[in-house]
Amino acid sequence: EAGVAQSPRYKIIEKRQSVAFWCNPISGHATLYWYQQILGQGPKLLIQFQNNGVVDDSQLPKDRFSAERLKGVDSTLKIQPAKLEDSAVYLCASSLGLGTRNTDTQYFGPGTRLTVL
Amino acid sequence: GDSVTQMEGPVTLSEEAFLTINCTYTATGYPSLFWYVQYPGEGLQLLLKATKADDKGSNKGFEATYRKETTSFHLEKGSVQVSDSAVYFCALRDNAGNMLTFGGGTRLMVKP
Repeated sequence: EAGVAQSPRYKIIEKRQSVAFWCNPISGHATLYWYQQILGQGPKLLIQFQNNGVVDDSQLPKDRFSAERLKGVDSTLKIQPAKLEDSAVYLCASSLGLGTRNTDTQYFGPGTRLTVL
Repeated sequence: GDSVTQMEGPVTLSEEAFLTINCTYTATGYPSLFWYVQYPGEGLQLLLKATKADDKGSNKGFEATYRKETTSFHLEKGSVQVSDSAVYFCALRDNAGNMLTFGGGTRLMVKP
């Protein structure tokens, strides 16, 4: 079974530029997550989708970050304009559906490492 | 809000040594608890999980027991290998949804 795919793996941009990341979840997974992992820290949830609807975007900096999952499958995360503090690894994860206590493991992609100069 | 605290690394051990990585949490209700591992250059992988008090999760020789009385979920392995070198993350999932809250991670380095 194919895992969560992300591209690009690495991206270097200058501050104030725009950047977009792409994620393809595991086939059949209804729930998709974007996390930000700053060097030396644990991942922090940015946004959670259930199919093509947003479940939680409370920690997404909406003045510069946006995300969409138009057809309930692939997703794109965009930053416009980027700041130095956006340098991080952006992780995408997927799971079958809204979790119960005993099921619904999140599976993570390899991440996109963003460097903002 | 919910939070997870892990011991700071790096933890450096010799091969075949005993490993403990401490993890404590703060949460309302009865969260599920997880350990994820991140090998160099790879994404996070679920290592083990426990969904209720006194449950023991285990995988690849690693174990962790959900201790509600001490709000802890310490990771242990009896004999580490060089291939266990990675960053380990403790996490919890609240009952309200599927949001994971991660600790800061602990880097383990195992020397031959």
